[in-house]
Amino acid sequence: QELLQESGPGLVKPSETLSLTCAVSGYSITSGHHWSWIRQPPGKGLEWIGSVHHSGNAFYSPSLKSRVTILVDTSQNRFFLNLASLTAADTAIYYCAKPNSGDDFDVWGQGAEVTVSS
Amino acid sequence: DIQMTQSPSSVSASVGDRVTITCRASQTIPGWVAWYQVKPGKAPRFLIYGVSSDQSGVPPRFSGSGSGTDYTLTINSLRPEDFATYFCLQPNSFPLSFGGGTLVEIK
Repeated sequence: QELLQESGPGLVKPSETLSLTCAVSGYSITSGHHWSWIRQPPGKGLEWIGSVHHSGNAFYSPSLKSRVTILVDTSQNRFFLNLASLTAADTAIYYCAKPNSGDDFDVWGQGAEVTVSS
Repeated sequence: DIQMTQSPSSVSASVGDRVTITCRASQTIPGWVAWYQVKPGKAPRFLIYGVSSDQSGVPPRFSGSGSGTDYTLTINSLRPEDFATYFCLQPNSFPLSFGGGTLVEIK
């Protein structure tokens, strides 16, 4: 069974950097297209953050590009999200997702709730 | 960049109704749109990809259609478990983009 599990801090201070990990099981991270991070702020819609290929090549949302880095570790079958210079607007549920046959997503993690507050 | 405009933002419907949700792309895309269902406290559920191809386990009352810039998700004979928020996604080119979402509420 394909499973994704996000992990990371639930509370982060403003101006700090958020680091999240997505552990993938039941599927090799080298087999798919791009592995993605998506977020949903409270009461708002889904926002694509960025996607990474197992080669390390990544694409980012233009609105977050200056603050985001997505990395991959094929030996651990994991990928990572770093989001710098946090503000309250970054408070959201963060999801990692597996690529389907293209760059859409068929399997999502349960989500990591992140609050940015001092 | 391709923008996805989704409508309506909310709809009130009764069990048994048909609901239609539309996403309009800012430019022609090659017929590759995905649809997701989101409920509070749950991971988003993948419903449809490639316009009308159904994900395994998704009831046949969910169907997709469209081409060019206009794409539609139709839910036939609405069930109580279908009350949720629905999003479209264009995965054709980076940056990927979601529609703004449609809340399907109980009338």
